[in-house]
Amino acid sequence: KNEVEQSPQNLTAQEGEFITINCSYSVGISALHWLQQHPGGGIVSLFMLSSGKKKHGRLIATINIQEKHSSLHITASHPRDSAVYICAVCPTSADRGSTLGRLYFGRGTQLTVWP
Amino acid sequence: KAGVTQTPRYLIKTRGQQVTLSCSPISGHRSVSWYQQTPGQGLQFLFEYFSETQRNKGNFPGRFSGRQFSNSRSEMNVSTLELGDSALYLCASSLLLASVNEQFFGPGTRLTVL
Repeated sequence: KNEVEQSPQNLTAQEGEFITINCSYSVGISALHWLQQHPGGGIVSLFMLSSGKKKHGRLIATINIQEKHSSLHITASHPRDSAVYICAVCPTSADRGSTLGRLYFGRGTQLTVWP
Repeated sequence: KAGVTQTPRYLIKTRGQQVTLSCSPISGHRSVSWYQQTPGQGLQFLFEYFSETQRNKGNFPGRFSGRQFSNSRSEMNVSTLELGDSALYLCASSLLLASVNEQFFGPGTRLTVL
C-alpha cells in the first residue's frame, strides 16, 4: 500500500514543451509538497499547498482536495528542469494506518528535457 | 542566511559498526526532520524533532535513533549497521512543524555499509 502515487514514473520532453506530473493520494491531508531533486541528491522544496493553485516562474502546482489529486506543470520546459520531482503529503488523521504529522512520499517522476 | 548543513557528506562503514550523522538547521528553525533515500524504497521518513522533542517517528527499527540539542542542531545514530542501511540520509529544517511548513533540505550524507 502506498499512500501517494505519482505518474508518470519517467517523462521525456523536448525543450519548450508543456509538462504535467500527477500525484494522487488516498488519505485526507493537511498539506501537499512538491520537491525537486537534482542528480547528486540535493532536494529543493518547490511548493507547499493545501488548496487551489500556486505559481512560481514557469512552475504551476494545483490541488483538488475533493479528488485527492495534485498536478505540477512546467511551461516552456528547459534542459535545466531535468530532475526527479517528488510529491509528499501530510495526513490529517490516523487514516488507514498512516500517522499524523509525518510526510509520505511518492516514488518520484524522472523528467528529462532534451535541447 | 546559511542553508542546512550536514556532516559528514560521505561515510563508509562496515557491518556491525555504528554511525552518527549531524545536521545543522537554518538559524531560527526549530524543526529538524530526517529521511532515508534508497533506490528501492525512495524517500522514507525517519523522525522529526521539534524543540528537542521527537514529534514523529517513521517505521524504522530501534537501531535508528536521534536527538536534538538546545541550539536545534540534530544528530541521528544508527547502531549495528547492516548492508541495507546504505543510503542517502537527508535532513531538512523548517521554522515550525515540518508537515505544514516549507522544508529546507541539506545536501545529504551518503552512507555506504560494506
